[in-house]
Amino acid sequence: GAVVSQHPSRVICKSGTSVKIECRSLDFQATTMFWYRQFPKKSLMLMATSNEGSKATYEQGVEKDKFLINHASLTLSTLTVTSAHPEDSSFYICSARGVEDRLYNEQFFGPGTRLTVL
Amino acid sequence: GQNIDQPTEMTATEGAIVQINCTYQTSGFNGLFWYQQHAGEAPTFLSYNVLDGLEEKGRFSSFLSRSKGYSYLLLKELQMKDSASYLCAVCSLADKLIFGTGTRLQVFP
Repeated sequence: GAVVSQHPSRVICKSGTSVKIECRSLDFQATTMFWYRQFPKKSLMLMATSNEGSKATYEQGVEKDKFLINHASLTLSTLTVTSAHPEDSSFYICSARGVEDRLYNEQFFGPGTRLTVL
Repeated sequence: GQNIDQPTEMTATEGAIVQINCTYQTSGFNGLFWYQQHAGEAPTFLSYNVLDGLEEKGRFSSFLSRSKGYSYLLLKELQMKDSASYLCAVCSLADKLIFGTGTRLQVFP
């Protein structure tokens, strides 16, 4: 159990386009989802916390108009990178935490999305 | 401020034991996680400590000292497949995970 999927796994786009990444909890309901980005050989940096039915909370330095997050249901959160530029190229990972008091507030991670902006 | 430190890289030999240290200074503490991450993949859960002491799970063990802001992950009987990055993450009182820089472990035959 506790499977999280992401789609797409890899995307290449031209500069200026917008890219939407989906994060789904497949076998549990996730009240909270988190979005991270990871640069090569670096650790995960939390971008924002997404709660179902409410606005996302962004970490300091993350532009909310640049990275639009929608958590429309208990199983789906989306991250849209608007007007993407080469510096937005990164590995984006989502995680989800369940409704119930699961194991130690554990977050379950998706497989990640590799975004390359040309 | 928030600060989590780990060694950047470590090497070890197949069959050996390796200890990866993590020190932290965070505003609030709600447990410490260790994750394994292979290149290009998502992190996978290894262990969780919220009380002081040692948690053992097969070849992997994790230790926590809250008073010292210190944890370590111990890997025994190393295998080639253990070559990966190991991430230390502290769960803050806001239930956010704050990740360390990660330790890249290379296991040689």
